[in-house]
Amino acid sequence: QQQVKQSPQSLIVQKGGISIINCAYENTAFDYFPWYQQFPGKGPALLIAIRPDVSEKKEGRFTISFNKSAKQFSLHIMDSQPGDSATYFCAATGHQNTGNQFYFGTGTSLTVIP
Amino acid sequence: ETGVTQSPTHLIKTRGQQVTLRCSSQSGHNTVSWYQQALGQGPQFIFQYYREEENGRGNFPPRFSGLQFPNYSSELNVNALELDDSALYLCASSRPGSEQYFGPGTRLTVT
Repeated sequence: QQQVKQSPQSLIVQKGGISIINCAYENTAFDYFPWYQQFPGKGPALLIAIRPDVSEKKEGRFTISFNKSAKQFSLHIMDSQPGDSATYFCAATGHQNTGNQFYFGTGTSLTVIP
Repeated sequence: ETGVTQSPTHLIKTRGQQVTLRCSSQSGHNTVSWYQQALGQGPQFIFQYYREEENGRGNFPPRFSGLQFPNYSSELNVNALELDDSALYLCASSRPGSEQYFGPGTRLTVT
């Protein structure tokens, strides 16, 4: 059973556009929601993360929107650049109840066209 | 770069063989988690080690085993390799309850 569902599978955006990736979860014990960026041949790198006590977090061009009642969260990449072309994973964990295990989505392959 | 290192970078093994993968955690981190990432998929949790003890395990068979050493480095051992074990194996280190930092991974190919 997929604990975290991610969509879309792939995304093509023009340079300067907004990239939006969505994730949904079921386990209400989750209390930490990071997003990772992964380039080919590399390990995932933390991009931005949010806890459920806030509805939005912004770091530079990256924003997480969090809807606790809907159990959904999304990543928005503003002014998308060709260098943002990578695979993005959402993840979730509940440090108190899930043994520190991070559950990952299936990934979104983002291509930013110049 | 995260300071988490893994070796080897690439490995080719034959079905039925055994393999050992190694991970050195980031300075100050006493927790190591191992993940399997199949091509085109998200990482799947194998297990976690905290202070040399297994501290959580995902849905992987017992032929996947591990160790953590006093310096917090870790090994992942896989016995009786199967073709489906071909994947990128990721190590992540952390302090308990905090963010994980991933290494570059070991690409294992089983033929």
